[in-house]
Parts: sequence; C-alpha cells; structure tokens
Amino acid sequence: GQNIDQPTEMTATEGAIVQINCTYQTSGFNGLFWYQQHAGEAPTFLSYNVLDGLEEKGRFSSFLSRSKGYSYLLLKELQMKDSASYLCAVREDGGGSYIPTFGRGTSLIVHP
Amino acid sequence: NAGVTQTPKFQVLKTGQSMTLQCAQDMNHEYMSWYRQDPGMGLRLIHYSVGAGITDQGEVPNGYNVSRSTTEDFPLRLLSAAPSQTSVYFCASGPGQGSFGYTFGSGTRLTVV
Repeated sequence: GQNIDQPTEMTATEGAIVQINCTYQTSGFNGLFWYQQHAGEAPTFLSYNVLDGLEEKGRFSSFLSRSKGYSYLLLKELQMKDSASYLCAVREDGGGSYIPTFGRGTSLIVHP
Repeated sequence: NAGVTQTPKFQVLKTGQSMTLQCAQDMNHEYMSWYRQDPGMGLRLIHYSVGAGITDQGEVPNGYNVSRSTTEDFPLRLLSAAPSQTSVYFCASGPGQGSFGYTFGSGTRLTVV
C-alpha cells in the first residue's frame, strides 16, 4: 500500500506561482497523477509522471523524483478559477492490478 | 461520447434500506472503481474491477457489493444503509496502465438518515 502526504490547505495571490508538494511511500511505483477538483464537482485529470523530471502543460507543471518519493504540482500565473482542491494519486503495481490511491488533497485558495 | 455516467445525483435513504448506484462508461475502459469522498478523508477506494467478471475489494468495502457483468457497467449496491455511509460517491474508469488518468463520473451525494 501507499502513504501519500500533501498539505491540507494553501493560499496564494492571483498572478503568483504556487507549488503543491506530495510525498509518497510505495513498494511498486507505477505512476503519479495530479487531479483538480472544484467544490461540488468531480476530479479532473491534470497530469501524469512516471519518469523523473518535469512535465509541463501550459500554466501547470508536475515534477517527479522517484528516488525521493516526491512530486510537486506547480501552478503559474494563478487565476481565481484555480481555487480548488488538488489531489495527488499514486498508482502501484499491485500484483497485476493498477489502481491509483489518492492523497487527502490540498485545498488551494487564490485571493485577489 | 458520454464518458462516465453516474445515477442518481442525489439520494436520501433511511437506515436499513438498500439501493444500487449505477455507473456506465462508453470508453471501453478495462478498469472501473468506486470511491467515496468524505470531508478531510480524500477519495477512498471501495471496490474495483480490472475487467468484466473480475472484482476486488478496496480500502473500505464493508457494507457494499459490486458486480461487473459487462465492460460498460459497474453498479455499487448498498446492502443495508447506515448513517456512516453518508458520503459522496464517485465512479471512475480508466485504461489500466499508461499515461491516461481516470475519468470520473459526476458523483452521487448520498444521505442516510
């Protein structure tokens, strides 16, 4: 199984940059996902990392270090609509099943 | 292409009642899962399936049953509802391995009184 840890809440200013960290422990790592979830809505897929390094997608980037069990999601040029919960999820090779386990999420509040 | 369709969106049950939450996907995904989401607890896995005819338990399976008779459908049954099952339930589907994330249904907000 996995232990996934991420901060409960963060606040940032519109236009700024914010980094949301995620640490994990797993025995058979098979990929890490970041999801965004607005209040009252379903999670939506943001990014995927399986190799070490940075993946960039517009204003959002995600970094992975497998040796450190560490990832971060970087959000640039923050907008008010980025206020949401950000979920880190780790997929493990569980004897042939590849079901992601989710962290508790980081609630990001963007203020003017 | 509807994605993942979950019904109902809202439901109120009395303690002891049973019901089925429906989930259907039209993306031909192998993997389907049910999660519940409670404040401060994140998404917790109830049951999952890696293909038609195959199901397995997740982290919090007690009080729930599932079946997967077709690739498309993965219903979740509450056998005898309890107030502790008040939660938001999400169904999700995905292709197993690879870089594609899970696609989630819109959720069912269940209240057990």
